[in-house]
Amino acid sequence: EDQVTQSPEALRLQEGESSSLNCSYTVSGLRGLFWYRQDPGKGPEFLFTLYSAGEEKEKERLKATLTKKESFLHITAPKPEDSATYLCAVRTFSGGYNKLIFGAGTRLAVHP
Amino acid sequence: NAGVTQTPKFRVLKTGQSMTLLCAQDMNHEYMYWYRQDPGMGLRLIHYSVGEGTTAKGEVPDGYNVSRLKKQNFLLGLESAAPSQTSVYFCASSSDDWLNEQFFGPGTRLTVL
Repeated sequence: EDQVTQSPEALRLQEGESSSLNCSYTVSGLRGLFWYRQDPGKGPEFLFTLYSAGEEKEKERLKATLTKKESFLHITAPKPEDSATYLCAVRTFSGGYNKLIFGAGTRLAVHP
Repeated sequence: NAGVTQTPKFRVLKTGQSMTLLCAQDMNHEYMYWYRQDPGMGLRLIHYSVGEGTTAKGEVPDGYNVSRLKKQNFLLGLESAAPSQTSVYFCASSSDDWLNEQFFGPGTRLTVL
């Protein structure tokens, strides 16, 4: 069964304290891994797409990496405005269509 | 560009009532999707559409119907609401379902009593 698991469920950091969020997946055929950011009361906002193991993408203080079994979202020197829920989603072909399977997310809180 | 908009933002229904959620996008996207988001779970696909006049079932379609009469609009209907349909509903759109990311609306919080 296709599955996406994110850890930890919640993470509390001090401003400037770097850390990583994990997204592990088991799917029959990976067709891309997506990271989204979701602020409270809002819809998810696209951050990155990764397609193959070894690929890396960066945006400001965020860096996403991909291996054959998992992806990491590294946050370097986070600021309070980085507080949000980060969602990972894996695209796979199943049931006749390209589907996105979402993880439950990691709630990140960055305190001054 | 408004992107993806959803109406209403909040709604409370009684069991057995019906309602329609409206999603509109101004990006000329072919693909549109309806998801629900429940605490502790990932977003789950209810129905989707690959173009005007087409709809298809996703992972959790039971109790919902959809229509895509115009390319820019995607409607989600609940014919007889149940408490299990209490959730936050998100609409999304994309230019294709292969390479490009999905753009999400702000969500509709639905409570069924």
